[in-house]
Amino acid sequence: DGGITQSPKYLFRKEGQNVTLSCEQNLNHDAMYWYRQDPGQGLRLIYYSQIVNDFQKGDIAEGYSVSREKKESFPLTVTSAQKNPTAFYLCASTLQGAISGYTFGSGTRLTVV
Amino acid sequence: GQQLNQSPQSMFIQEGEDVSMNCTSSSIFNTWLWYKQDPGEGPVLLIALYKAGELTSNGRLTAQFGITRKDSFLNISASIPSDVGIYFCAGPSDMRFGAGTRLTVKP
Repeated sequence: DGGITQSPKYLFRKEGQNVTLSCEQNLNHDAMYWYRQDPGQGLRLIYYSQIVNDFQKGDIAEGYSVSREKKESFPLTVTSAQKNPTAFYLCASTLQGAISGYTFGSGTRLTVV
Repeated sequence: GQQLNQSPQSMFIQEGEDVSMNCTSSSIFNTWLWYKQDPGEGPVLLIALYKAGELTSNGRLTAQFGITRKDSFLNISASIPSDVGIYFCAGPSDMRFGAGTRLTVKP
């Protein structure tokens, strides 16, 4: 079955460390996205990529970095520059134009300890 | 960018009641998407609307694409406890989602 997989489900990080969240899709979707969700809040766009080897900043890109070396993969690195990284991170993918909707992964909950 | 406003922010209802929520945009949309997010999970697509005035149902859910193309409505009939979650609207081209309506259903 096609889908989008995020790993790990839970992640703990010490302050000052970088950490990378994985997102893989086998839907042959062109575009991929990263969102951040804080408790009781909506989804905020971090980065997106519409084609391989290209990506754009979203609304809250500071302290994050991404790469898109393969169509299937869009990893997100939370760097030590991100001041408040504890949150729920969601990855999504769509066909070009997105009119058939976004497919989301099940999320990674990152906690800084 | 486009502004998406969802209301209400939260709802506390009794099992069996009907629910209505809406989403308005500062710009015209060609497509409206409605999602539901269960606690600790990713959002799942409920209904997609492609034409102004369109009314689409999915079980107890009914959504409408507003005539002005700047709004959309989602109704849930005869709510049950598993309807609990956050409901989001989105217009695909903008990549942004509304802030969500948090639904609590009391048995």
